[in-house]
Amino acid sequence: KQEVTQIPAALSVPEGENLVLNCSFTDSAIYNLQWFRQDPGKGLTSLLLIQSSQREQTSGRLNASLDKSSGRSTLYIAASQPGDSATYLCAANSGYALNFGKGTSLLVTP
Amino acid sequence: SQTIHQWPATLVQPVGSPLSLECTVEGTSNPNLYWYRQAAGRGLQLLFYSVGIGQISSEVPQNLSASRPQDRQFILSSKKLLLSDSGFYLCAWTPGLAGDGEQFFGPGTRLTVL
Repeated sequence: KQEVTQIPAALSVPEGENLVLNCSFTDSAIYNLQWFRQDPGKGLTSLLLIQSSQREQTSGRLNASLDKSSGRSTLYIAASQPGDSATYLCAANSGYALNFGKGTSLLVTP
Repeated sequence: SQTIHQWPATLVQPVGSPLSLECTVEGTSNPNLYWYRQAAGRGLQLLFYSVGIGQISSEVPQNLSASRPQDRQFILSSKKLLLSDSGFYLCAWTPGLAGDGEQFFGPGTRLTVL
């Protein structure tokens, strides 16, 4: 069974810092890995999707990498802003089902 | 563009009462549809997925059921709610056929069972 772990569970940084969120998964036989953002009481917003054949994806200030062989993905956020405060979830797709980590709760302080 | 709707947004129900949550997707055809639950202190858990009308796969045995009466409609039901059914229920979709597409989520339904 796929197990997904996210470290750290919570993170507080001052505005302007670059930061890295980590995600690891136990079964490297994945189709893709997806990063989401969740604001309190809201649904999930898809940030980046990395297919298993890709090494990284970029969208604006976000960059996600994937090392399938080692079972790791990272989400890099450049020049963080208070509006980036949210919970970030990674999910590994092993075929139809997404297996989610418990998320990293990010607080960016002005 | 595609849009996914869920209702109701919030629901408070007594133990033992029935449940019906609805999810609809606009702007696409033959989507794969999913029901997830997010319980307090736990990660998101896949409950059901469907690759077509009348085709339902269950991931977790429980007192919930799902149905897909139309191509873009997915319903989550229960005959008798338990306290443990409380949580945030999320519907999601991906483009059809393959299971490796990007998943898009609805706004969710907050269910509290008292």
